[in-house]
Amino acid sequence: IAGITQAPTSQILAAGRRMTLRCTQDMRHNAMYWYRQDLGLGLRLIHYSNTAGTTGKGEVPDGYSVSRANTDDFPLTLASAVPSQTSVYFCASSDSRREGLGEQFFGPGTRLTVL
Amino acid sequence: GQSLEQPSEVTAVEGAIVQINCTYQTSGFYGLSWYQQHDGGAPTFLSYNALDGLEETGRFSSFLSRSDSYGYLLLQELQMKDSASYFCAVTYGGATNKLIFGTGTLLAVQP
Repeated sequence: IAGITQAPTSQILAAGRRMTLRCTQDMRHNAMYWYRQDLGLGLRLIHYSNTAGTTGKGEVPDGYSVSRANTDDFPLTLASAVPSQTSVYFCASSDSRREGLGEQFFGPGTRLTVL
Repeated sequence: GQSLEQPSEVTAVEGAIVQINCTYQTSGFYGLSWYQQHDGGAPTFLSYNALDGLEETGRFSSFLSRSDSYGYLLLQELQMKDSASYFCAVTYGGATNKLIFGTGTLLAVQP
C-alpha cells in the first residue's frame, strides 16, 4: 500500500540521548517535511526538503537535524534530547508537480517522550 | 510573522451544518488548506483554496476571501464520524508548499 511509514511508533528516551526518527515514503514525492504536534499548538514545521540532497529549516529547527540522501527516506535526528522535545512527530510528503496546492500526505506519527 | 486563528471547539448535532472559521496573517500567501485529524492520528487533506470563492467536495465545502484574509470550512449533513480536529493551514514559501497550521478546532458531533 502506497504511503508513508514512520518508526518507531513510540519511544521513551532519557534526556541527553541521541535519537533518530525514521520516515519512508513510496509515492516518489520530491518534497518531504517533519512536524511536531504539541497539545494546543497545532503542527509546527521543523525541517523540510524540496528534493533529494537539499534541506531547509522550518519554524522550530533548533535541536533537530535532517538528511535527504534519496527520494524515499527523510530521517530526523535529535542529537541530545531534552524534555521539551517530548511531542508527537509527523512526517509528510508532497508531489512537487503540484507545488502550492497545499496537499501533503502524513505518516502515522511517532510519540516521543523525553525524561 | 505568520499566524492563523480558529475557534478551539465547536459542537453540533448529527445532520446539522457547521462552519469553522479561520483568519490568517501571513506573508507570501499562496492558498488555504484544510486538514482533518481523528484522535491524534495522521492529518488528512480535505481541501485547498488558492482563489476567492467556494470549493465543494461532497459534504465539505471551503471558502476563501483573500482580501479579508479569511476562510471557512463548511460541513453539511454532519455524521458522528465527522467528530475530529480540523486545521486550517496557509501555503507559503514558493518552491515548496510549506504549511503554517492553525491550532485546530475540535468538532464534537452529538446524536
